[in-house]
This record gives sequence, structure tokens and C-alpha cells, in this order.
Amino acid sequence: EDQVTQSPEALRLQEGESSSLNCSYTVSGLRGLFWYRQDPGKGPEFLFTLYSAGEEKEKERLKATLTKKESFLHITAPKPEDSATYLCAVQAVQGAQKLVFGQGTRLTINP
Amino acid sequence: GAGVSQSPRYKVAKRGQDVALRCDPISGHVSLFWYQQALGQGPEFLTYFQNEAQLDKSGLPSDRFFAERPEGSVSTLKIQRTQQEDSAVYLCASKRVLTGELFFGEGSRLTVL
Repeated sequence: EDQVTQSPEALRLQEGESSSLNCSYTVSGLRGLFWYRQDPGKGPEFLFTLYSAGEEKEKERLKATLTKKESFLHITAPKPEDSATYLCAVQAVQGAQKLVFGQGTRLTINP
Repeated sequence: GAGVSQSPRYKVAKRGQDVALRCDPISGHVSLFWYQQALGQGPEFLTYFQNEAQLDKSGLPSDRFFAERPEGSVSTLKIQRTQQEDSAVYLCASKRVLTGELFFGEGSRLTVL
């Protein structure tokens, strides 16, 4: 069964304090790994797709990386507006269109 | 439309009532998904449509849950005889084929009393 585990569940940082969020996954052949951001009361908003180990993608203060067993979302010099829940999801190769999500990491950036 | 639109945004139902949740996907997106998100959890897959065909309904938790997309555009998720455990946010998403990117609506929050 495909599974995604995110850690930590919650993280509080001071503005400017860089850190990383972890996403560990087991999947029967990875088609893609996705990162989403979710603000309270909103639907998830797409950030990145990673397809193969070694791949990296960047957007503003965020960088996502991928290995064969996990992905990291690095946040550099975060600002209060980066506060949100960050969700990781995997899509398997085996013909399935669905995404399997982790439980998310709730990130709070204090000014 | 500009984004995925869901209605109602909030629904309170008494246990045993039937509810219907509507999703209007982004124009031209042939793939449509329904997810259920419990408080503090990640979204869980319910069902998937390609045009009007329901290709995967493996995530529907019971036969009280039914989804349709008769003309390949608007979709409705129906829950019959609601139970308290059905309380959750129901998210609809449509997919951009070229990139595989899912665009989510803001969700319908269902509370069953």
C-alpha cells in the first residue's frame, strides 16, 4: 500500500530562521511526488512536482528535493506569509490517477 | 471559469439527511477528483472522473456515497443518510493534463449533527 509520512507535524520558526520539512514515502513505483501549500479554510495550492531521485525545484524561498525514499522542502529565510500547512503527495506508476497525501506539516513563522 | 468552484461552502445536516455537494471544474479540464479531508489530516482520495466516465471509485467509504458527472463538466457528490463520521471538508480538484497539476477548489465543509 502506498504511504506518505510527513515530519514534523508542526514547526514554529522565527522570521529568517531556515529549516526543512520531511516527506517519507513508500510507493510501488513513483510517477511523481507533489508538494502543496494549504492555508486555513482554503484548498491545497500546487507548489512543485518532482519525478526522479536527484531532481530539485525552486520557487522563491522554497526548494524541493527528492531521493528514492524521501523528499525535503527547504525553506530559506522564511517570512510570516510562509505560514501554512505544507502537504506532500505521491502518485504511483501503476495506472492510478489518484494522489496519496501525507498528514501535512503545519508551519508557523513568527515575526 | 478562473478556478474550481464548489458549493455550498458550508453545510450542516442532521444525522440521516441526504446531502449533495457541487463542483464546477476549470473549463476544459477533463479529469476531476473528489477528496475528503478530516480536521488536521491530509486529503484522502474518494473518486476520479475522466469526462463523464467514473474510472476509479475505490476511495468511496460506503455505498452511501455516490458521485456523478453526467455531461463531463459539473460533478455532484451525494451522501445519503449522513452519519457523524461523514463530517469533513470535501475537496474537488481538476487536472491540467500536460503538467499533471491538480487545481483544488476551496472545499465544502460538511458538519453532521
